[in-house]
Amino acid sequence: AQTVTQSQPEMSVQEAETVTLSCTYDTSENNYYLFWYKQPPSRQMILVIRQEAYKQQNATENRFSVNFQKAAKSFSLKISDSQLGDTAMYFCAFYNYNTDKLIFGTGTRLQVFP
Amino acid sequence: SAVISQKPSRDICQRGTSLTIQCQVDSQVTMMFWYRQQPGQSLTLIATANQGSEATYESGFVIDKFPISRPNLTFSTLTVSNMSPEDSSIYLCSVGDRADTQYFGPGTRLTVL
Repeated sequence: AQTVTQSQPEMSVQEAETVTLSCTYDTSENNYYLFWYKQPPSRQMILVIRQEAYKQQNATENRFSVNFQKAAKSFSLKISDSQLGDTAMYFCAFYNYNTDKLIFGTGTRLQVFP
Repeated sequence: SAVISQKPSRDICQRGTSLTIQCQVDSQVTMMFWYRQQPGQSLTLIATANQGSEATYESGFVIDKFPISRPNLTFSTLTVSNMSPEDSSIYLCSVGDRADTQYFGPGTRLTVL
């Protein structure tokens, strides 16, 4: 069974600094997708970034980028130039066509300090 | 991405009663999903609702407890039946034409006394 592990329950970073959130996963599949979702205090889950496993190039969305290490089954999220609005829970998620559903990690609570 | 609304945004209910949560999308979508997020926990999929067919429930969730309707391509409801304090959670709907690309609603915070 696929599992997603986020080993950092909480992280903090100062405004304008860079922070990296960790995620590892376990699967025997070769084709899958990985995601980072953000859930601010408003509860709205927002898709931050998506990575297709067949792509070697790491996905980037503005200040958000990933370090996708397929062999190591690692998928970390780097947030550059952190902003107060980045304060949220961040969930790593996994999808493949066999299970046809998203599997979420337990989340990392990120606090950005001024 | 689709604009998704949920009603109610929050509610406080008494033990033994039922609550129906609505999920409305501003465009037609193939798939709608219902998740539960217990306090401080991650998201757990309850069921997938496709228009014109019965909802598909995940292990640990049954139709008698969580009946779901999907009357058209823009609307779904989830009912939490015979509630107990253990049902206190955030309930989220998400939508997408495929399960690999989902957009989430704002959630419904349910407290059962």
